[in-house]
Parts: sequence; C-alpha cells; structure tokens
Amino acid sequence: EAGVTQFPSHSVIEKGQTVTLRCDPISGHDNLYWYRRVMGKEIKFLLHFVKESKQDESGMPNNRFLAERTGGTYSTLKVQPAELEDSGVYFCASSPPKTGTEAFFGQGTRLTVV
Amino acid sequence: AQSVTQLGSHVSVSEGALVLLRCNYSSSVPPYLFWYVQYPNQGLQLLLKYTSAATLVKGINGFEAEFKKSETSFHLTKPSAHMSDAAEYFCAVSPRGSNYKLTFGKGTLLTVNP
Repeated sequence: EAGVTQFPSHSVIEKGQTVTLRCDPISGHDNLYWYRRVMGKEIKFLLHFVKESKQDESGMPNNRFLAERTGGTYSTLKVQPAELEDSGVYFCASSPPKTGTEAFFGQGTRLTVV
Repeated sequence: AQSVTQLGSHVSVSEGALVLLRCNYSSSVPPYLFWYVQYPNQGLQLLLKYTSAATLVKGINGFEAEFKKSETSFHLTKPSAHMSDAAEYFCAVSPRGSNYKLTFGKGTLLTVNP
C-alpha cells in the first residue's frame, strides 16, 4: 500500500513568487493534515481536512496560505506571495476515520524562500 | 491549551548504552501521547502511542515508553542503543477523543557513538 506522498520534495523560490505543494494521502483516509516545521522550531499544526471540508484551520499563519482538497482526495497548499519566513519543511499526514488511530506522515516538502 | 516539553535538544549515547529521551506534557486531561522518529531524509514514523489502558507501551525497534499521570511524563527508553537509532525523535500529544491535532515537542536529536 502506498504511503502519504508529497510533491515536490524540495522547492526553492524567490520572495514574492507563488508555490503550490501537493499531498496524496493514503487511499481511504478521510482525515488529512498539514504541518510545518520552521528551522529550529517545533512542528506546528496548520490545518485539518475531513474529506473535502476544512475541519480546523486555526494554525494557518495568514491569508497568503490557501489549502484545498478537491473531491476529498489529494490536497494542495498554495503560498502566494511567498515570504522569507515561510521557509521550512511542510509535512502532510493522513489518518482513517476512526478516532485515536495514528496519523501517517509524508516525507515532507522542504521550501526555501530566497 | 496543550504543550509538550522535550528535555535536551541533543542526546548522545554510546552503542549498547541505555537510551532515555524525556517528554513532559501539559494538558487539563490526560491526552493521547505519541513518539515519532525521523530518520535522515525520511518522513515521520510512529514509534509508539498511548491512548488508553496499559501505561507501559511497547513500540517498534525495541523502544518503549511509560505514561505517568502523576508526573505528566511519557519518557522514551531503549535498553541498548544501536547505530541505526541515530535520528530525531518527537514527542506529541493530541486531545483525547479527537481525530486529531498533534502538538509536538521541539524534538531530540539522538547521536549514537561507536
């Protein structure tokens, strides 16, 4: 069974540009999460989808970040326009509908804004 | 609000020595507790989790953790370190009964010396 897949693995963009990160969760996992780790800091929650609906987006830093999950399958996280402080590793995770089950993480996308 | 404190951002042990990684949490009610590991160039992998019942939890690769409510701790141990255990370890909590939003500690980088 394929795990959580994230694209791209690395991205280097200039300040002011737009970047779109993609996450393909494990098939059948209704729950999809985005997390971010800024260098030297802890991994922080960004948002949670249940199928195609945003359940909790309390961790989104500002309105330059837009997450979507079309049809309850894959998800994208767009940063527009990117700022230097957006640099970090963005993790996606998914989990089955049952409460208390573990979340499976992707390898992350390392975003560098220069 | 929940929080997680991992004592020691960097722990170094000799091969064959005991591994002890400390984690304390703050939560109004006992949460779900997790330890994740990130090997170089890989995603986060679940080592073990505590959701209910047994307070001593056994995980993969010989690791175990004990939930101590009175101490609000969930320390990770392994009797004998292997070179392959070198990685970054993250303690995380989520609200009991949710599905679920993880709050992570800052991580502990484990180095194993020959």
